[in-house]
Amino acid sequence: QKEVEQNSGPLSVPEGAIASLNCTYSDRVSQSFFWYRQYSGKSPELIMSIYSNGDKEDGRFTAQLNKASQYVSLLIRDSQPSDSATYLCAVKPQLGYSTLTFGKGTMLLVSP
Amino acid sequence: EPEVTQTPSHQVTQMGQEVILRCVPISNHLYFYWYRQILGQKVEFLVSFYNNEISEKSEIFDDQFSVERPDGSNFTLKIRSTKLEDSAMYFCASSQGATGEAFFGQGTRLTVV
Repeated sequence: QKEVEQNSGPLSVPEGAIASLNCTYSDRVSQSFFWYRQYSGKSPELIMSIYSNGDKEDGRFTAQLNKASQYVSLLIRDSQPSDSATYLCAVKPQLGYSTLTFGKGTMLLVSP
Repeated sequence: EPEVTQTPSHQVTQMGQEVILRCVPISNHLYFYWYRQILGQKVEFLVSFYNNEISEKSEIFDDQFSVERPDGSNFTLKIRSTKLEDSAMYFCASSQGATGEAFFGQGTRLTVV
């Protein structure tokens, strides 16, 4: 069974700090990796996608992928209280399949 | 900015009743999905739809569930005979391609009483 694992948290960081969120996945042939942000009672909102090994930066967000270690991470620089949410790691399996497998998410709390 | 829209936002139904959840995917997207999230649990895949047919479905998507694209814009999920355990947030999503980014609607909260 394909699994996506995340620490449930909460991860508490002060405003302005870097938040580091981690995710591991079990299916070695996974191709596409996504980070979603979900506020309580709301729908998942896409933040980042990453498809190849290395880093991908978008504003304050950096996604990192290491396929050999089956590891994805999300760094949030200059964390703001508005970043407080649950961050969901999602993985698409091999080519030709379009479904997302989600982790349970990591709750991030940014204190002013 | 284009978005996925879902109606209704909240539906309360009696056990055994049929419900239809509606979605309008982003207009140039080709892949459509239903996911659900039971309160406090992770987002779970139900079904994907491409080229007017189901392309993948999970074990959750049993004979009680069906999907339809009745016209060029709407995408519906029908639950024939609701059970208490069907109570969840149901999310519709769409993507342009199979490996691309999926965008979610705001969800329908289904409460079965």
